[in-house]
Amino acid sequence: GAVVSQHPSWVICKSGTSVKIECRSLDFQATTMFWYRQFPKQSLMLMATSNEGSKATYEQGVEKDKFLINHASLTLSTLTVTSAHPEDSSFYICSASQGAAVGELFFGEGSRLTVL
Amino acid sequence: GQNIDQPTEMTATEGAIVQINCTYQTSGFNGLFWYQQHAGEAPTFLSYNVLDGLEEKGRFSSFLSRSKGYSYLLLKELQMKDSASYLCAVVSGGYNKLIFGAGTRLAVHP
Repeated sequence: GAVVSQHPSWVICKSGTSVKIECRSLDFQATTMFWYRQFPKQSLMLMATSNEGSKATYEQGVEKDKFLINHASLTLSTLTVTSAHPEDSSFYICSASQGAAVGELFFGEGSRLTVL
Repeated sequence: GQNIDQPTEMTATEGAIVQINCTYQTSGFNGLFWYQQHAGEAPTFLSYNVLDGLEEKGRFSSFLSRSKGYSYLLLKELQMKDSASYLCAVVSGGYNKLIFGAGTRLAVHP
């Protein structure tokens, strides 16, 4: 099946620094990518929807200026957590859609961010 | 608004059958997914229902009733490795936008 790769799988950073997480579709072109955040023992919360070549659509309550999303190509989307704080520590997961047909959705392995 | 409800935790015995229920109230509906997630890992796809009825895939089956806003995931012949969280997710809107329930943590005991 289709593969979506995230990098890094885990990262530790100091408070106030910025961290970039990459999400790549390895064997298909992803017209749409989604970014989720998951706190311990909680479910996935959709942060934003990213379409190639256009601005991301953020969910209510998600700060656009703090979570910068760039979808510059059909195989790469990046999430940058700016000025990270300990409360941003979480598991970030991306998913990619190959087309508009429902069902064609693939998840990355996730990236665990710890902010000290 | 969007609301997806699942039981928080369930326990079952190895070899038994367990049913995990999910009820939903969403502004749009284009299908319902069930995912399995082990701690610290990304979700893995189990099933997708868009029409009413039962979908069977090996030890796993999923049922959907759109009129009732209800789905369940049925796991048969439980194995220890089935201990995980099971996430119910509704496709609300286009382009596979998924809204997840809080997940059900299943513990399988010998």
